[in-house]
Amino acid sequence: DGGITQSPKYLFRKEGQNVTLSCEQNLNHDAMYWYRQDPGQGLRLIYYSQIVNDFQKGDIAEGYSVSREKKESFPLTVTSAQKNPTAFYLCASSPPSSGRSYNEQFFGPGTRLTVL
Amino acid sequence: DAKTTQPTSMDCAEGRAANLPCNHSTISGNEYVYWYRQIHSQGPQYIIHGLKNNKTNEMASLIITEDRKSSTLILPHATLRDTAVYYCIVRALIIQGAQKLVFGQGTRLTINP
Repeated sequence: DGGITQSPKYLFRKEGQNVTLSCEQNLNHDAMYWYRQDPGQGLRLIYYSQIVNDFQKGDIAEGYSVSREKKESFPLTVTSAQKNPTAFYLCASSPPSSGRSYNEQFFGPGTRLTVL
Repeated sequence: DAKTTQPTSMDCAEGRAANLPCNHSTISGNEYVYWYRQIHSQGPQYIIHGLKNNKTNEMASLIITEDRKSSTLILPHATLRDTAVYYCIVRALIIQGAQKLVFGQGTRLTINP
């Protein structure tokens, strides 16, 4: 089945440790995104990538890093510099244009990160 | 991107039509209206989008006023599975490349049996 997978669903880390969240898609999508969601709030864009080996900062990139070495994978590292890392992290991807009027984003199930 | 205003929460009876309003009075001529929804603890799901004409798909209908300053998402026969947070997003269409979306707090729709 095609889709976006994020693992693990729940992740616990000690304060001061870096942690990497996985995001894999087999939809052949070019663009991928990382969002953060805090309780009762909307999603905020952390980083996005339009193509392999290219990525741009979103609205809240400080304390995060990403890589895009493969089309299928867009891992997010939450570094110790991120002051409030506990949140729900969502990965998304969108397809190439191919004449479509809009490339909707497809979201993964999310990873809930808790820093103790 | 134009700012949107949505009610914080709404209730609807199962089987009735759920009408979710969105105000976007500062929308520009090239900006579209998009709707996503997020069921609890899941990733958001695309519903529908439109520019100025009314749209309908298998999930919902989108009614955009003639002046484009507001819109309404209609779920014609709401079910318990439609309980979710609904996000109204306004931004210009990008044919290629990444589509940066700004999600506000949305409307928490509760469908009651």
